[in-house]
Amino acid sequence: KAGVTQTPRYLIKTRGQQVTLSCSPISGHRSVSWYQQTPGQGLQFLFEYFSETQRNKGNFPGRFSGRQFSNSRSEMNVSTLELGDSALYLCASSGGTRDLLFAEAFFGQGTRLTVV
Amino acid sequence: QQQVKQSPQSLIVQKGGISIINCAYENTAFDYFPWYQQFPGKGPALLIAIRPDVSEKKEGRFTISFNKSAKQFSLHIMDSQPGDSATYFCAASMGNQGGKLIFGQGTELSVKP
Repeated sequence: KAGVTQTPRYLIKTRGQQVTLSCSPISGHRSVSWYQQTPGQGLQFLFEYFSETQRNKGNFPGRFSGRQFSNSRSEMNVSTLELGDSALYLCASSGGTRDLLFAEAFFGQGTRLTVV
Repeated sequence: QQQVKQSPQSLIVQKGGISIINCAYENTAFDYFPWYQQFPGKGPALLIAIRPDVSEKKEGRFTISFNKSAKQFSLHIMDSQPGDSATYFCAASMGNQGGKLIFGQGTELSVKP
């Protein structure tokens, strides 16, 4: 079974620009979660999508948004980039269910975003 | 109350020794506790996980010990090998929070040959 695929692996953007990151979950998984990883703040939950609906959201500003498509693939968008948005963005896929019970999460390799 | 506190921040162990990493939580609603291993340039990989109805779970050289009354859980790596050198994260989730994981700050483990 193929793992979680994130594209691109690396990105360099200028402050004020916007960026879109992509995540393809493991086949059959319907839940996709996004995390931001930085040396100072560690791994922080951004949001989760299940069956094209956002069902959980972390404490990030509205500049961070996402969506999920009918094939469970997900995209994350960050608008008006700030220097502090430089981080490794990780996507995790799980065979989540509608009853919100947690299922094992498997992470992709991440997208390294650098904002200059 | 949503935090998971992990210690130590870094750990150096000799080859063949036991590595022990500890985590503590406050929220008794947490009901799933996974450990992840992360190598540089890679995403975290699920290592082992436990639910609060079990006090210990073992998979190969990796053991989770869980103390529900103390709200603590720990990862023990037996016979530590240089290939185990990585960053380890504990995490916790609540049953009604779907895919949301709360992570500890991580422990950088170095196993010396």
